[in-house]
Amino acid sequence: GDSVTQMEGPVTLSEEAFLTINCTYTATGYPSLFWYVQYPGEGLQLLLKATKADDKGSNKGFEATYRKETTSFHLEKGSVQVSDSAVYFCALIGTYAAGNKLTFGGGTRVLVKP
Amino acid sequence: EAGVTQFPSHSVIEKGQTVTLRCDPISGHDNLYWYRRVMGKEIKFLLHFVKESKQDESGMPNNRFLAERTGGTYSTLKVQPAELEDSGVYFCASSHFGGSTDTQYFGPGTRLTVL
Repeated sequence: GDSVTQMEGPVTLSEEAFLTINCTYTATGYPSLFWYVQYPGEGLQLLLKATKADDKGSNKGFEATYRKETTSFHLEKGSVQVSDSAVYFCALIGTYAAGNKLTFGGGTRVLVKP
Repeated sequence: EAGVTQFPSHSVIEKGQTVTLRCDPISGHDNLYWYRRVMGKEIKFLLHFVKESKQDESGMPNNRFLAERTGGTYSTLKVQPAELEDSGVYFCASSHFGGSTDTQYFGPGTRLTVL
């Protein structure tokens, strides 16, 4: 079945550092790929998405490119802020997913220190 | 526009008791999903409603879990009787069209603790 693997955290960074969170997936066909973020005390929010190969999703300075050849969707940000401290989840909806259910990775906690 | 809301935000119950979680989706969203995250593991799909009908309930762990969506508006998820392994965070999400590219909007979650 479909699965998502993302790097385990926590990831601790200093402000203005470069952030990369690796995400790889296993799915048949052409899944849609998502990054969700959960800030402390809040629910999941969609950060960005890409629905076909070579698409780049971007939002709030974050970017991720849908790489079908490497089955990856790595999240990057060039200069993080303290407010980026959160848990980040990579997810997909498989081509053949009944009901369009999301399949999530385990989440990566990011802590940005001033 | 109000987002997805969930009630309660926290619930602490004893093993064997019953708990009912409620989710109010974004107005006009026909698609409603339940997910849960147990013990810091992956967020797992439980089930999907389209209006009042269950489209996919393949993720429901066992028959102690009952989900309803009467009238196609809000949904409830009942756990009866609760077991220790049911502890976790239960998320509800809704979407308008339900397609694979459609965004699912999540609520803040209900943290369930079974003692």
